[in-house]
Amino acid sequence: GQQVMQIPQYQHVQEGEDFTTYCNSSTTLSNIQWYKQRPGGHPVFLIQLVKSGEVKKQKRLTFQFGEAKKNSSLHITATQTTDVGTYFCAGPELTGGGNKLTFGTGTQLKVEL
Amino acid sequence: IAGITQAPTSQILAAGRRMTLRCTQDMRHNAMYWYRQDLGLGLRLIHYSNTAGTTGKGEVPDGYSVSRANTDDFPLTLASAVPSQTSVYFCASRETGWYQETQYFGPGTRLLVL
Repeated sequence: GQQVMQIPQYQHVQEGEDFTTYCNSSTTLSNIQWYKQRPGGHPVFLIQLVKSGEVKKQKRLTFQFGEAKKNSSLHITATQTTDVGTYFCAGPELTGGGNKLTFGTGTQLKVEL
Repeated sequence: IAGITQAPTSQILAAGRRMTLRCTQDMRHNAMYWYRQDLGLGLRLIHYSNTAGTTGKGEVPDGYSVSRANTDDFPLTLASAVPSQTSVYFCASRETGWYQETQYFGPGTRLLVL
């Protein structure tokens, strides 16, 4: 079945440093989504990328979708303590009419002052 | 608008007991999902429903059952709880539309099976 892996699993940074998490799918994706989960909270949708090579920005967050539509990245510039949490990528499964998402393993970000 | 609500917030359950986790959404989304989240394992799909009256098995369905009598409610039942079902359970619904795969999650139920 479809597998979605993320690296790194954990990342500790000093506030102000940049952070990047990478997402790789075993299959080509029609789109990819990113979610953020704060400690003790639930996953919250951040963004969806659809086009090959697409780049989207949300303030300090930059999301990229690979040319082959099998990988993606999330880059945070100048991290802040509010960025703490786990970041998941997710892609629709090829079966079931795309009604199910396969979530990546997640990258847990900790930001130290 | 509440979005998705789940009940209970947390529960301690004796092994062998039956338990139903409740999930209700007010967004009129057709598709709904149940996930479990364990440390280091991300989100794993238990069961899903594409529309009222239909359900399907996800990645880890054993020991769980669901029903979808109407659009708003999607309860998850543990027929006879076992300690390995200790986890955080999230219910989610999906916004429909072309290329709309976005899922909205409830606050979760933290379950401890002893």
